[in-house]
Amino acid sequence: AQKVTQAQTEISVVEKEDVTLDCVYETRDTTYYLFWYKQPPSGELVFLIRRNSFDEQNEISGRYSWNFQKSTSSFNFTITASQVVDSAVYFCALSESAGTYKYIFGTGTRLKVLA
Amino acid sequence: DAGITQSPRHKVTETGTPVTLRCHQTENHRYMYWYRQDPGHGLRLIHYSYGVKDTDKGEVSDGYSVSRSKTEDFLLTLESATSSQTSVYFCAISESRLALSYEQYFGPGTRLTVT
Repeated sequence: AQKVTQAQTEISVVEKEDVTLDCVYETRDTTYYLFWYKQPPSGELVFLIRRNSFDEQNEISGRYSWNFQKSTSSFNFTITASQVVDSAVYFCALSESAGTYKYIFGTGTRLKVLA
Repeated sequence: DAGITQSPRHKVTETGTPVTLRCHQTENHRYMYWYRQDPGHGLRLIHYSYGVKDTDKGEVSDGYSVSRSKTEDFLLTLESATSSQTSVYFCAISESRLALSYEQYFGPGTRLTVT
């Protein structure tokens, strides 16, 4: 069975600190997809990144970076120099390789960035 | 932003009454999904559709039914609402090409309260 674990329920940091959000997944598929979404206090879900299982390159987008490690089944998300606007709930999700493209979501990590 | 709307955005209803939530997209995407979001559970899939009149159950489908008579509309019906169905409901859409899993884009959500 597929599973996504976000063990950190809530994290608080002071502005300008770096913070890493952990995501550990389980799947029997050899091809799969991983995603991160952001849910700010306004409630909408914002897509951040998609990663294919066959592409282990890390990715950086501005202050955001993602570290994908198949050996440890992890897809961690780091925010560098955090800002108050980064305060949100962040969800990691796993998708099947083909067919229904259903997601399994983690329970989310609430990030609070204090000024 | 993906063209996804949900209606109503807020609804209060009484136990035992039927309720229908509507998701409308203007992207012509093949896949549509209904999720519910509850504290401590993240997002859980209720039902999904992979084409007109093609639907299937997700992990929390009991008490819900869906219909998709047009590409752009995906309806979620609570046949007899219960207090346990009080939740925030999100619709999502995604495309699929070459058997790859693409990101899902979410609607703004519907907050449903069953009294």
